[in-house]
Amino acid sequence: NAGVTQTPKFRVLKTGQSMTLLCAQDMNHEYMYWYRQDPGMGLRLIHYSVGEGTTAKGEVPDGYNVSRLKKQNFLLGLESAAPSQTSVYFCASTKAGGANEQYFGPGTRLTVT
Amino acid sequence: GENVEQHPSTLSVQEGDSAVIKCTYSDSASNYFPWYKQELGKRPQLIIDIRSNVGEKKDQRIAVTLNKTAKHFSLHITETQPEDSAVYFCAASKSQGAQKLVFGQGTRLTINP
Repeated sequence: NAGVTQTPKFRVLKTGQSMTLLCAQDMNHEYMYWYRQDPGMGLRLIHYSVGEGTTAKGEVPDGYNVSRLKKQNFLLGLESAAPSQTSVYFCASTKAGGANEQYFGPGTRLTVT
Repeated sequence: GENVEQHPSTLSVQEGDSAVIKCTYSDSASNYFPWYKQELGKRPQLIIDIRSNVGEKKDQRIAVTLNKTAKHFSLHITETQPEDSAVYFCAASKSQGAQKLVFGQGTRLTINP
């Protein structure tokens, strides 16, 4: 049982390049989330999904897109990377309904030059 | 939307002493308040949470108190140990539907031997 995994662990992009971050969970969780964490700040929600085929915007969605084609996977895309998107990205998942523990992945450190 | 303020940003205590971290929230509809511990380079991990229908919850050396009227909640760690050194984040959300956590800015706790 791997829990929540993320690929890649590290990535360096040039401004304007695109990439996709993959999150996978094997806990059969309905809800999945993408956060970003900047130095000296808490995590901020980018997008989330309450089920396969559904996504919604969080607190800081601009410049990102997401897809949830399979229940176990949640993809975060950057179409045209900007230096302001340099951050550590965390994926998380929870069971549906109520106040349940969010399980986080190990994070992806992204640098945009 | 919800806004969570966390204080202090850094806290240094002697091993064996107690540590207290405080958070305030703005949205009276928030009813779920988790606390996460994040060690350097690691993922956030839930250490304790509280729902708005209780005022206090304790788990061994860790306790959380909630004052709904004043809209603030606090983390208390007693008999601190070196392994308690980490960054601690509070968060708030509504428990209905997707758990869209809004995080505080974090407190770097250092336990001095």
